[in-house]
Amino acid sequence: DTGVSQDPRHKITKRGQNVTFRCDPISEHNRLYWYRQTLGQGPEFLTYFQNEAQLEKSRLLSDRFSAERPKGSFSTLEIQRTEQGDSAMYLCASSLELRLKNEQFFGPGTRLTVL
Amino acid sequence: DAKTTQPTSMDCAEGRAANLPCNHSTISGNEYVYWYRQIHSQGPQYIIHGLKNNETNEMASLIITEDRKSSTLILPHATLRDTAVYYCIVRTFHGSSNTGKLIFGQGTTLQVKP
Repeated sequence: DTGVSQDPRHKITKRGQNVTFRCDPISEHNRLYWYRQTLGQGPEFLTYFQNEAQLEKSRLLSDRFSAERPKGSFSTLEIQRTEQGDSAMYLCASSLELRLKNEQFFGPGTRLTVL
Repeated sequence: DAKTTQPTSMDCAEGRAANLPCNHSTISGNEYVYWYRQIHSQGPQYIIHGLKNNETNEMASLIITEDRKSSTLILPHATLRDTAVYYCIVRTFHGSSNTGKLIFGQGTTLQVKP
């Protein structure tokens, strides 16, 4: 148990619908990351928060994607007007700046299927 | 961050040592070697990291060559539960201007067989 939780674990939606995922990081961690993973590939970085500030967004994060981290605690990732190409595992990770190992702790992921 | 090259897949007999190689010939002096693994249907899990000295923890050992252009992750007594995709990642240790994001390749799929 890494301590990072994600909800829901699975989401099936129809093309064109909006979906929102939630990530609860380890409580004292100030850094939060979102990654996307498609079948057979390694995770790809999407966006990064330090506390409540979104400091980096990948080019993979199109205009249909938005992420928030209000109050520097949990985070949400919303996808508007979903497309079949959005089908993937969405992973959240957190870390604590200045921790000796600088490791990221990953949640179990949310698997999105767009029909 | 430097790019890494890993074999696509490897097999290992249960109880034997698993040695997973990684090439990172363009590594810079301030870049660390990190290893993560991802068991099927789970998020990646940190294993170990090092700069230039060999490292050992309760999960594995990391051997980095003297020129730092390659490294080997060693699982001393592989079990069936070690079957996973293993990712070798080279990155700088985070500073105020570094987000610390991880750049994953395709990794090595390790199959531990009974």
